Amino acid sequence: EAQVTQNPRYLITVTGKKLTVTCSQNMNHEYMSWYRQDPGLGLRQIYYSMNVEVTDKGDVPEGYKVSRKEKRNFPLILESPSPNQTSLYFCASSPRVANTEAFFGQGTRLTVV
Amino acid sequence: EDQVTQSPEALRLQEGESSSLNCSYTVSGLRGLFWYRQDPGKGPEFLFTLYSAGEEKEKERLKATLTKKESFLHITAPKPEDSATYLCAVQGWGSSNTGKLIFGQGTTLQVKP
Repeated sequence: EAQVTQNPRYLITVTGKKLTVTCSQNMNHEYMSWYRQDPGLGLRQIYYSMNVEVTDKGDVPEGYKVSRKEKRNFPLILESPSPNQTSLYFCASSPRVANTEAFFGQGTRLTVV
Repeated sequence: EDQVTQSPEALRLQEGESSSLNCSYTVSGLRGLFWYRQDPGKGPEFLFTLYSAGEEKEKERLKATLTKKESFLHITAPKPEDSATYLCAVQGWGSSNTGKLIFGQGTTLQVKP
C-alpha cells in the first residue's frame, strides 16, 4: 500500500529537549516536505526536499532542521523545542516538484510545555 | 503574494441537500489548484487537480470546477460520510520550483442524516 508514515503520532515534551519526528514514504517519490497546521493559519510549509541531499527552507523554517540522506526518509528535527512549536505536523511526498498531487502522512501532534 | 480564501468556514447540510464550497485565489500564474479532504485526526487526502479555467473534474458526489479567480467544489446529494474538512490549495509558477502549496483555511462540512 502506498503511504507516508510519520512517527510518533503524539508527543508531549519539555522546552529545550531535542526531538526528531520521522517520515518515510514507500512510493519512490523525489519530492518531500513538512507542513505545520495551526488553527486560523492553515497548513504552512516548513522545509522541503527535491531529492537526496537537496533541502531548502519553506515559509516557517525557524527552529527546525531536516535531512535527506535517503530517498524514502525525511526526518524533522527540533533542536531546542519551544512552546510556539506546539502544532500538528504533516509530512508529504510527491512524485516530482510541481504540478502533482501530494500524499500526506497521518500527522504528528506535538505539545511543548 | 499568493493567497487562498475558502468560504464558508463551516457548512451544515441535511443528507441529500446539495451545495457548493468556494475557493478564491490570488496567485502569480496558476500552475495547479488542488482539492483535499481532511478527516479529524488524519492527514489531507487528495481529491482533484485543476489546471486551467473551464476545467471540471468529478468523483462520486463531488465535482470541482475552476475559473480564473475561483474554484467551486459542488456536492450533490451529500451523505453523512461526506462530512469532513475540505481544503483548497494552489501552486503558482513562482513557487513551482519549490513545490510549495498555498492552502486555504478549509471548509468544515457536516452532513446530518
